[in-house]
Amino acid sequence: QKEVEQDPGPLSVPEGAIVSLNCTYSNSAFQYFMWYRQYSRKGPELLMYTYSSGNKEDGRFTAQVDKSSKYISLFIRDSQPSDSATYLCAMSVGNTDKLIFGTGTRLQVFP
Amino acid sequence: NAGVTQTPKFQVLKTGQSMTLQCAQDMNHNSMYWYRQDPGMGLRLIYYSASEGTTDKGEVPNGYNVSRLNKREFSLRLESAAPSQTSVYFCASSEMANFMGYTFGSGTRLTVV
Repeated sequence: QKEVEQDPGPLSVPEGAIVSLNCTYSNSAFQYFMWYRQYSRKGPELLMYTYSSGNKEDGRFTAQVDKSSKYISLFIRDSQPSDSATYLCAMSVGNTDKLIFGTGTRLQVFP
Repeated sequence: NAGVTQTPKFQVLKTGQSMTLQCAQDMNHNSMYWYRQDPGMGLRLIYYSASEGTTDKGEVPNGYNVSRLNKREFSLRLESAAPSQTSVYFCASSEMANFMGYTFGSGTRLTVV
């Protein structure tokens, strides 16, 4: 079993939809949780960064961490065609800089 | 602020040829990483360097060597390329003292024929 599991998709939604992207993990020591966005033929870029449990909002994006269920989510409101990309979750144990990545979920938002 | 710069962006090699992928960062980060990304496999760590002068193997190091030339530069060498090394290679860097995830380069798309 992988430490981090992520559905590869693809997920196809109409413009304006609310998108939910999810990852599950097995290591209870993970404390830092991130979401990266990767456009086609580009490198991953950090989208959201959260520490421990709870929610964090940034514009149309909300990152949610449920440590009791070992489950993290990224919500995208009012999705746009420009949100079409692959979204990778990543997490790390505290006091280290070793990130464990999910395999990524490909999202397509059609007009 | 350039961030992480990788060269070349594209390369085609014949089986058995060698090449070096270059990576440089201008953020004064201590840690640097080399990943490969393949469809359905996600990002797989090849080698990493926690500081200048140190390197360690990651998940898939076979067939690769690395050099941490100085704090800015971390190169990846393929001594004898194989078709299985056809992939997209990403370099990344991070700072443990103020860890905010990794900054990635734009990638090198390598095809071995």
